[in-house]
Amino acid sequence: SQTIHQWPATLVQPVGSPLSLECTVEGTSNPNLYWYRQAAGRGLQLLFYSVGIGQISSEVPQNLSASRPQDRQFILSSKKLLLSDSGFYLCAWSGTAGNTIYFGEGSWLTVV
Amino acid sequence: KNEVEQSPQNLTAQEGEFITINCSYSVGISALHWLQQHPGGGIVSLFMLSSGKKKHGRLIATINIQEKHSSLHITASHPRDSAVYICAVRGNEETSGSRLTFGEGTQLTVNP
Repeated sequence: SQTIHQWPATLVQPVGSPLSLECTVEGTSNPNLYWYRQAAGRGLQLLFYSVGIGQISSEVPQNLSASRPQDRQFILSSKKLLLSDSGFYLCAWSGTAGNTIYFGEGSWLTVV
Repeated sequence: KNEVEQSPQNLTAQEGEFITINCSYSVGISALHWLQQHPGGGIVSLFMLSSGKKKHGRLIATINIQEKHSSLHITASHPRDSAVYICAVRGNEETSGSRLTFGEGTQLTVNP
C-alpha cells in the first residue's frame, strides 16, 4: 500500500536559520508531489508541486525552495527563515491520473 | 474573490443533527475533493467527485457541475465528527492543470 511520511513533525528555529523538511512516498512510482503551508487560522496554500524528478513549479514567490532529488522524495528548504514562515507544512502526493490526494502527517514550524 | 468559497466558516451543532457544508467555485474543474482536518493537523481525503453523488457511511457529498457547487452532508452527527472540513478543486487542462485550489475550511463542532 502507498504511504507518505514527512519529518520532522515539529521544530522551533531562530530567524535566519536554515530549514529542511523532508517527505518520502512509498508504494507508488512517479507521483505528483506537493508542499502546502497552512498559517494559523488560514486555508491551505500551495507552495510547490512536482510532476517528476527535478521538475518543480513554484506557486508563490518567497524565501523557500523545493527539490526532488529522487522520484519519491520531496524536500522543502530555506536558507534563512523569516518569522512569517511559521506555520503548518504539509506534503502530499497524488497519482498522475488525477485521482485522490494523500497527505503526510504535517510539520509544525515555529520561527522565533 | 477566492476561486473556492466555503460556507459557513464555523458551524456548531448538537449531536444527532443533520449538517450541510457548502462549497462554490468559479473555475473549470476536473474534480472536487472534500478533506477532513483534525485538531492535530492531519488531513484525510473523504471524497473525490467529478459528478453526481457519493456516500460513505454517514457522509454524503454531491456536486452540481453546471452550478459550480458542491455540498458535504453529515447525517446523525457525532462529537467525533468535529473537525475542519476543506473543499478543494482540481483544475482542468484549461485552467490550473493538476493543482488543487483550497477553500478556507469550515470548522465544525458537534456538542454531545
